[in-house]
Parts: sequence; C-alpha cells; structure tokens
Amino acid sequence: DIVMTQSPDSLAVSLGERATINCKSSQSVLYSSNNKNYLAWYQQKPGQPPKLLIYWASTRESGVPDRFSGSGSGTDFTLTISSLQAEDVAVYYCQQYYSTPLIFTFGPGTKVDIK
Amino acid sequence: EVQLVQSGAEVKKPGESLKISCKGSGYSFTSYWIGWVRQMPGKGLEWMGIIYPGDSDTRYSPSFQGQVTISADKSISTAYLQWSSLKASDTAMYYCARLSSTSCYNCPLQHWGQGTLVTVSS
Repeated sequence: DIVMTQSPDSLAVSLGERATINCKSSQSVLYSSNNKNYLAWYQQKPGQPPKLLIYWASTRESGVPDRFSGSGSGTDFTLTISSLQAEDVAVYYCQQYYSTPLIFTFGPGTKVDIK
Repeated sequence: EVQLVQSGAEVKKPGESLKISCKGSGYSFTSYWIGWVRQMPGKGLEWMGIIYPGDSDTRYSPSFQGQVTISADKSISTAYLQWSSLKASDTAMYYCARLSSTSCYNCPLQHWGQGTLVTVSS
C-alpha cells in the first residue's frame, strides 16, 4: 500500500500569514500516461465531515477560496494557505487516489491553529 | 444538488450486528463509486473500501477486509456498511462519500455524508 506522511503535525500561524503543509507519498502518484498526480487535499473542521479542497494536486474545487493552493509532483506535495483566516482553523489531510487496488490512503493530518 | 444522507447514531453492545446506510440523491446513483471512511475518536481518516452501485463491484482496504461488508441497493439509491459482530474498537464516526466523476474509481471524494457515529460499549 502507498503510505502517506504529513508535516508538521500541527502549526500555529498569525492571521493573514502563510501556512504551509507538506505531504509525502511512499511511491509516486504521478500517472505518466496523462501526467496527472492522483493527490487530493481535504479540510475538516470540528464536528464536520471532510471537505474536498484540491484535487489532481493543484486543481481547486469549485467554491474554494483562491488563498488555498496545491503544488508538487511525484511523491512530494504542498498545500499553501496564502493568508490565513480565522475560518481556516481545521485539520488538513492529503490523500492519494492512485492505487490500482483502490486503496486510497490518507495522510495523518495537520492541525492548523491561529497564533 | 448532490446529497448523501446517512442513518442516525447507533449505540450497540459488543457482539451485536449493525448495518448503517448512506442514501444518495440529486445524481445518478448507479454511475458513481461510493467510498467509506472511518474516523476513530480524536483520530485521522482511514480508508475502508469502495463500491460501484451500478454492478456492486466492491474493494476493501486490507485493514477492513473480513471485518465489514459494503453493499448497495440501487433500487433505493442506498449504500450500506455492516458488521456481523461489533467490537469496542469499532467505536468511531463513519462517513460515506461519493467520488467526483462518472464511473471513475481513481478520483477524489467530492461529496460527503454527514457521518454516522457508532458507539460499541457493554
């Protein structure tokens, strides 16, 4: 199975400042035939189900503010919140959906708070 | 509007059986894969498995194979997650989620149910 890791486990950022979360997969999730990275980011606020933010590593889901951006390729990926807002306090998870046996593992999550 | 509505919270005893549901609406239920995700108290998200309601093709994470059964009844647009003998360690929130594109299994989880809290305690 593909193992996903994230860093840091948690971070506290001042309002308006940048937050950066890293995600690493144990093997490449880049499919060479279409040059797509099978990597998504989700946001989960307390008491709510997760919400899809980013897919194909860098495509923003409809309605997601443009302060959220995804980057990276192969095994190393980053979620950036360019200017942290109070409503961005949440846990953020990366997930690979590359695996052919359809075992789509999540990273352990990164908790984002306000400093 | 796409909606996934899950059944209500359950409190069960160890050894009991349980079947929870996830009813889809606002889209063609048979054309999209649905996944199940576990979240134990205070923990992260765990991938359990996935089903294509169109033909009931089902795949399980090795961690959950043999522990749960995923099924679907396309006549009532409902997917299910069931246990034959619950354990205390099954206490968790369980989410269903629809993948993003028609017939696509290598796709992200775009629409989520509200979750079903299962508590197993003697």
